[in-house]
Amino acid sequence: AQSVSQHNHHVILSEAASLELGCNYSYGGTVNLFWYVQYPGQHLQLLLKYFSGDPLVKGIKGFEAEFIKSKFSFNLRKPSVQWSDTAEYFCAVNAGTGFQKLVFGTGTRLLVSP
Amino acid sequence: ETGVTQTPRHLVMGMTNKKSLKCEQHLGHNAMYWYKQSAKKPLELMFVYSLEERVENNSVPSRFSPECPNSSHLFLHLHTLQPEDSALYLCASSPKGGTLVGELFFGEGSRLTVL
Repeated sequence: AQSVSQHNHHVILSEAASLELGCNYSYGGTVNLFWYVQYPGQHLQLLLKYFSGDPLVKGIKGFEAEFIKSKFSFNLRKPSVQWSDTAEYFCAVNAGTGFQKLVFGTGTRLLVSP
Repeated sequence: ETGVTQTPRHLVMGMTNKKSLKCEQHLGHNAMYWYKQSAKKPLELMFVYSLEERVENNSVPSRFSPECPNSSHLFLHLHTLQPEDSALYLCASSPKGGTLVGELFFGEGSRLTVL
């Protein structure tokens, strides 16, 4: 069965610090990879996704993620975080076709202090 | 505004009650999902409906009963729940193709507390 591991459960950063959140998945075939974000009191929303092509994917709000197939990883990065990036971040993988059967990680809570 | 609306946003029920969660999507999508979000656990996929047909049931206890009367509405009927069923229940929808393929659109969730 597919699984997704997010190594950091809680991350605390100061504004302007750089961010990298780890995500590893277990599946040997072709995968689609996602990062979702949940701001306090809001719904889960898509941050970025990788289907194919350039392994460096850019998303909204200055976030990017790099797919490294040999490491089964899809780490999320942002060069300089802002207080408004405080949220919970979820990595997800989809190895299905047709409907979207996403398998999520446990999430990483990011707190950015001003 | 996500285009996916869930009601009620909060629900408290006893173990012998029967209640329902409702989800409505205004996005023209053709697949709908129920996920369970518990603290310190990954989101758990419960049910998937594609074109009103259930295509996924992840070994969910029978005290949870989904219903999808049309492609815009999804219900989760609850009866004789246990305290460990307390969680945030998320509804999502997705399109079948196009540039948005692969993206789930989530509602804000229904926070359920079972006493």
